[in-house]
Amino acid sequence: AQTVTQSQPEMSVQEAETVTLSCTYDTSENNYYLFWYKQPPSRQMILVIRQEAYKQQNATENRFSVNFQKAAKSFSLKISDSQLGDTAMYFCAFVPSQGGSEKLVFGKGTKLTVNP
Amino acid sequence: DGGITQSPKYLFRKEGQNVTLSCEQNLNHDAMYWYRQDPGQGLRLIYYSQIVNDFQKGDIAEGYSVSREKKESFPLTVTSAQKNPTAFYLCASTRWAHSYNEQFFGPGTRLTVL
Repeated sequence: AQTVTQSQPEMSVQEAETVTLSCTYDTSENNYYLFWYKQPPSRQMILVIRQEAYKQQNATENRFSVNFQKAAKSFSLKISDSQLGDTAMYFCAFVPSQGGSEKLVFGKGTKLTVNP
Repeated sequence: DGGITQSPKYLFRKEGQNVTLSCEQNLNHDAMYWYRQDPGQGLRLIYYSQIVNDFQKGDIAEGYSVSREKKESFPLTVTSAQKNPTAFYLCASTRWAHSYNEQFFGPGTRLTVL
């Protein structure tokens, strides 16, 4: 069974600083996709960033970037220049590229607080 | 604007009652999903549907039922057989059934059993 582990239930960071959220996953698949979703206090889930496992280059989206280590099955999210609006739950998610079920497997989340 | 709507936002149910949560999308997406979110548990898949008139069980389907009679609608019924239904329920959709595609989420329904 595929699993996603987020080992940091809660984290905090000062505004304008950088923070890294950890995610590891377990799978026997070779091709898959990884996602980071953000859930602010409004509870609306928003896609932050997406990574294809066959791509060695780490994905970046403005202040958000990932460190994808396929051999180690690690997929961490780095938030640079943290802003108050980054305060949210962050979920790491995995889906295999084969099979067609698109069943996202989520980690339990990391609650990030950005302090002024 | 295109998007996913869920109603109601808050729902209260007495024990032993069935209740139906609505999910509608006007994104012309083929696939739709229902997730349950509990504190400290992340999101768990209840049911999903890749095309009209077809759906599959997810990881925690017991006590739930769905229908997909129209492309834009995927209602979820929480039956009396669901022993612990109090949770936050999220509906999602994606353009077509491919793993790469981003799942777009609705605003959610908070169900409380009294």
